[in-house]
Amino acid sequence: QVQLVESGGGVVQPGRSLRLSCAASGFTFSTYGMHWVRQAPGKGLEWVAVIWYDESNKFYADSVRGRFTVSRDNSKNTLYLQMNSLRAEDTAVYYCARERLNGDLQFDYWGQGTLVTVSS
Amino acid sequence: EVVLTQSPAILSLSPGERATLSCRASQSVSSYLAWYQQKPGQSPRLLIYAASNRATGIPARFSGSGSGTDFTLTISSLEPEDFAVYYCQQRSNWPLTFGGGTKVEIK
Repeated sequence: QVQLVESGGGVVQPGRSLRLSCAASGFTFSTYGMHWVRQAPGKGLEWVAVIWYDESNKFYADSVRGRFTVSRDNSKNTLYLQMNSLRAEDTAVYYCARERLNGDLQFDYWGQGTLVTVSS
Repeated sequence: EVVLTQSPAILSLSPGERATLSCRASQSVSSYLAWYQQKPGQSPRLLIYAASNRATGIPARFSGSGSGTDFTLTISSLEPEDFAVYYCQQRSNWPLTFGGGTKVEIK
């Protein structure tokens, strides 16, 4: 069965960096676009970034562009989110999510999420 | 950016009642709209894609309709497990955006 397992969250000071990982299993990872979506405590969902199945395209939300970088290693079935220059407003649960079909941009499987807290 | 406005923010209903949730887009998104359900402490679950297509394993009591700027998610008869928060999401324009959510609570 499809599984997405995020890791790498934690407490970090403003201005510092953190890298999240999402380990995928149960499907052919290299054929799906993958996304990061976040949810601040008690708030709604915010799309963060996408990477095409072959890394040919990446898109970001305005709120993270220039600070966050999405990448993937198809040989390891793993998605990453490098987060630099973190701000208090980046505090959220970060989910990785799979597209329903390649290029579909709708998410049929989600991980359990990893909490990132940016605080001094 | 396409802004999705969901209404009402909170819907108080009893089991067995019909729920009608609205999602309005600030510009046309054609039929490129999805609906998700999220229960407390859980990840979102895809219910509807392309405005009106039920995702795999979703019960028939869930239905979606609409196109352009106005969309509706209908739950024909609420089951106890349907009380949750529902989000719409558009994929017509970058950046992808979600609505603010509608909480369906037990009356």
